[in-house]
Amino acid sequence: EAGVAQSPRYKIIEKRQSVAFWCNPISGHATLYWYQQILGQGPKLLIQFQNNGVVDDSQLPKDRFSAERLKGVDSTLKIQPAKLEDSAVYLCASSPPWQGYSGANVLTFGAGSRLTVL
Amino acid sequence: EDKVVQSPLSLVVHEGDTVTLNCSYEVTNFRSLLWYKQEKKAPTFLFMLTSSGIEKKSGRLSSILDKKELSSILNITATQTGDSAIYLCAVEKIPGYSTLTFGKGTMLLVSP
Repeated sequence: EAGVAQSPRYKIIEKRQSVAFWCNPISGHATLYWYQQILGQGPKLLIQFQNNGVVDDSQLPKDRFSAERLKGVDSTLKIQPAKLEDSAVYLCASSPPWQGYSGANVLTFGAGSRLTVL
Repeated sequence: EDKVVQSPLSLVVHEGDTVTLNCSYEVTNFRSLLWYKQEKKAPTFLFMLTSSGIEKKSGRLSSILDKKELSSILNITATQTGDSAIYLCAVEKIPGYSTLTFGKGTMLLVSP
């Protein structure tokens, strides 16, 4: 099965500029996540979608970050304006509809988009 | 606030050594604990643990959960240079939307 696709893989921008990341989850996966991983840290959840509805965006800095998942498939994460502290890898992940404790609801991650803000 | 703490943060061993990585957690409504391996790309799934005391094995890797101690260990025997990676521990909470809280990871370097 095809994995989670993300683009671009790398992006360098200056502070106050804007950037957008794209994610295409595994086909049939209802849940999509965006995680931010700063160097030396574990991934931190930014936003979680169930189909095209938001389940959790409590840690999304809404003054500068936005995300959408149109038609319950692809998703875009946008940062505007970017700050130096936004330099990180942005990981997209997806999981199938929850099927209990079978382990089938394990998240599958994409390769990530590495953002450097100068 | 939910916490997932991993130790050590980094570790250097020689090929052939056995290593034990630790993960402790403080979360409400615990459902499962997961281990991921992260090389220079996407984290890849290793194990999911839901029941205390049941060891999961995959080749040279094994893991076990202790719900009483709120902790888990990941063992790697006969380490190889290809085991060099960051090992991430994550905890999943109920309800079943699979939201994961990650620890900072343990960076393992296996030298030849």
